Amino acid sequence: GNSVTQMEGPVTLSEEAFLTINCTYTATGYPSLFWYVQYPGEGLQLLLKATKADDKGSNKGFEATYRKETTSFHLEKGSVQVSDSAVYFCALRPDDMRFGAGTRLTVKP
Amino acid sequence: KAGVTQTPRYLIKTRGQQVTLSCSPISGHRSVSWYQQTPGQGLQFLFEYFSETQRNKGNFPGRFSGRQFSNSRSEMNVSTLELGDSALYLCASSLAVGGAGELFFGEGSRLTVL
Repeated sequence: GNSVTQMEGPVTLSEEAFLTINCTYTATGYPSLFWYVQYPGEGLQLLLKATKADDKGSNKGFEATYRKETTSFHLEKGSVQVSDSAVYFCALRPDDMRFGAGTRLTVKP
Repeated sequence: KAGVTQTPRYLIKTRGQQVTLSCSPISGHRSVSWYQQTPGQGLQFLFEYFSETQRNKGNFPGRFSGRQFSNSRSEMNVSTLELGDSALYLCASSLAVGGAGELFFGEGSRLTVL
């Protein structure tokens, strides 16, 4: 079946550090891939997406590239801020959307 | 444009009771999905409705049910509540089923079962 495996946290970084959160997927066909973010007490918000191989999604300094050969969609940001502290979810959608377990990121000043 | 609205935001029930949660999607969105979020299991897909028809269903017991109305509003019901049903229930809407369409989430209904 379709599933997503993402790096488990928690991840703690200092402000301005480089961030990578790994995500790999298993799917039949060619799913669309997503990263969602959940801030405390809120629902999920779309961070970025990619719909086909080699597509790069980007938003707010975050980037992820759809790698079909490695079935991966790793999230990266060059310089994190305290305001980036949240839980990040990788997801795929051939039909219904399936989410990874989530990675909690804490950024310290 | 109003976002996805879920009611109630918080509720407390006791074991054996039933609960109904409501979701109003973004205007024009015809697909509504429901998820259960718990610390131990993460985000688990419950079901998805499109044009009043259930299109997909996750791996939950029959105590969990849902429906969608002609105005795209959706409700989910959990009967004979168990302690393990305590969770944040998230509703999400999208224009259509599947494909590259993103889901827009509400803030959730937090259910506590005592």
